[in-house]
Amino acid sequence: AQKITQTQPGMFVQEKEAVTLDCTYDTSDQSYGLFWYKQPSSGEMIFLIYQGSYDEQNATEGRYSLNFQKARKSTNLVISASQLGDSAMYFCAMREGNTGGFKTIFGAGTRLFVKA
Amino acid sequence: DAGVIQSPRHEVTEMGQEVTLRCKPISGHNSLFWYRQTMMRGLELLIYFNNNVPIDDSGMPEDRFSAKMPNASFSTLKIQPSEPRDSAVYFCASSPGVLGGETQYFGPGTRLLVL
Repeated sequence: AQKITQTQPGMFVQEKEAVTLDCTYDTSDQSYGLFWYKQPSSGEMIFLIYQGSYDEQNATEGRYSLNFQKARKSTNLVISASQLGDSAMYFCAMREGNTGGFKTIFGAGTRLFVKA
Repeated sequence: DAGVIQSPRHEVTEMGQEVTLRCKPISGHNSLFWYRQTMMRGLELLIYFNNNVPIDDSGMPEDRFSAKMPNASFSTLKIQPSEPRDSAVYFCASSPGVLGGETQYFGPGTRLLVL
C-alpha cells in the first residue's frame, strides 16, 4: 500500500506568488516524522523542512512552511514568494518506526515550474 | 563540515562487469541509507544501516546487489554482475539516527550507466 501520496505530478506558479504542494500519508504509528526535499535539475537532494507528529505548531523555514493537518494525515508544503530557482522536483517523505535508524519512505514527487 | 561524499560521481560500464559505489557519511551520523532513483520507479530505498549493522535490506533488488559498512565512516554498494536495467542514480544518505535527529542528508549521487 502506498504510504506517501503526492497527487500533483506537475504544478505551475507565477514568480512571487505562493504555491502549495500536497502530500498525504498513511501510518498507524503515533510517532512519526514528515520531511520535504527539493531536487533541482542538477540532481542533488536538498532537505527543506521537517515536522514531527507531536509538534503542535506548523513548521516554518524561511519561505517554506508546512500546513500539517494530523487528523487528515496531510502535510502540504507552502512556498511563499516563489522564485525562479524554486523550479525543481519536490518530494514528501515519512519516517517510520521509532528505533533502529528510522526508515524513510518517499512519495513520487511534484515537479514545480515557476514562470517569470 | 563536509557533507556525504560519494564516489565515483559517474560510472559507465559494460554489462557483466562488477560495479562498486562508495559512500562516506557525515561524521557522527549513526545511520546510512542507499537509494536508487529512476524515472520509472522513483526513489527506492535499497538498504539501510544503523551503527554499521544492516537493519533492512528488503529493497535490494536481487542477489547481484550487496552492501557493506565495515566501519562508521565508509560503506559500499556492489553490483555483480551489472545489467543495463541497473542504470540509475544511486544516492547515499546519512542521519544522526536518533529521535529528533532523523533527517537524512544526501550525497550528490552516482550516475551509473550500464551498456
